[in-house]
Amino acid sequence: GAGVSQSPSNKVTEKGKDVELRCDPISGHTALYWYRQSLGQGLEFLIYFQGNSAPDKSGLPSDRFSAERTGGSVSTLTIQRTQQEDSAVYLCASSSTGQNEQFFGPGTRLTVL
Amino acid sequence: KQEVTQIPAALSVPEGENLVLNCSFTDSAIYNLQWFRQDPGKGLTSLLLIQSSQREQTSGRLNASLDKSSGRSTLYIAASQPGDSATYLCAVRSHGGATNKLIFGTGTLLAVQP
Repeated sequence: GAGVSQSPSNKVTEKGKDVELRCDPISGHTALYWYRQSLGQGLEFLIYFQGNSAPDKSGLPSDRFSAERTGGSVSTLTIQRTQQEDSAVYLCASSSTGQNEQFFGPGTRLTVL
Repeated sequence: KQEVTQIPAALSVPEGENLVLNCSFTDSAIYNLQWFRQDPGKGLTSLLLIQSSQREQTSGRLNASLDKSSGRSTLYIAASQPGDSATYLCAVRSHGGATNKLIFGTGTLLAVQP
């Protein structure tokens, strides 16, 4: 594809529900990142995948958050039992290696009512 | 712990002016620094990437410089246009460690008045 794509673009859910956010990285990119952008917190790192290596989960805010990357391509970020403080824009990025320029998708705006 | 600061938080200039956005970071051991722009409700668009061994990068009307030893980077925009209005973010990737995460500044909101 031409760039990183994310779906859905917007998601409104009720507190306590589970949500899944999807990221399709640029074809051939081995590194994939999830970030979160919320008011008052700026942009913060969540999780990083590089090839077949174990992911770096150091940025996940709680055990309600998890992510997987299947076949080294598409990634899904799952938030269980959503809380209002999870409301934010979730951004995905990819790069050709772990060291190069990161390219971002348009984000998913999550609103938890 | 790496911290990234951007000054000013907001800037308004008339069209045609040259301007400078500032970014500072506390740990000079960085691998690279990346400048992005973000339009309202949109994702991030990469503008320039400077490796730690480089002093500057240029793309069109944009020029980014890096002084790693002093922990500073500047983004120079020449002959500003209303279409340059956006939030500008700088981000650093710290050297070492297993992760390649970016640490972001809080951004500069730029408004170019026609």
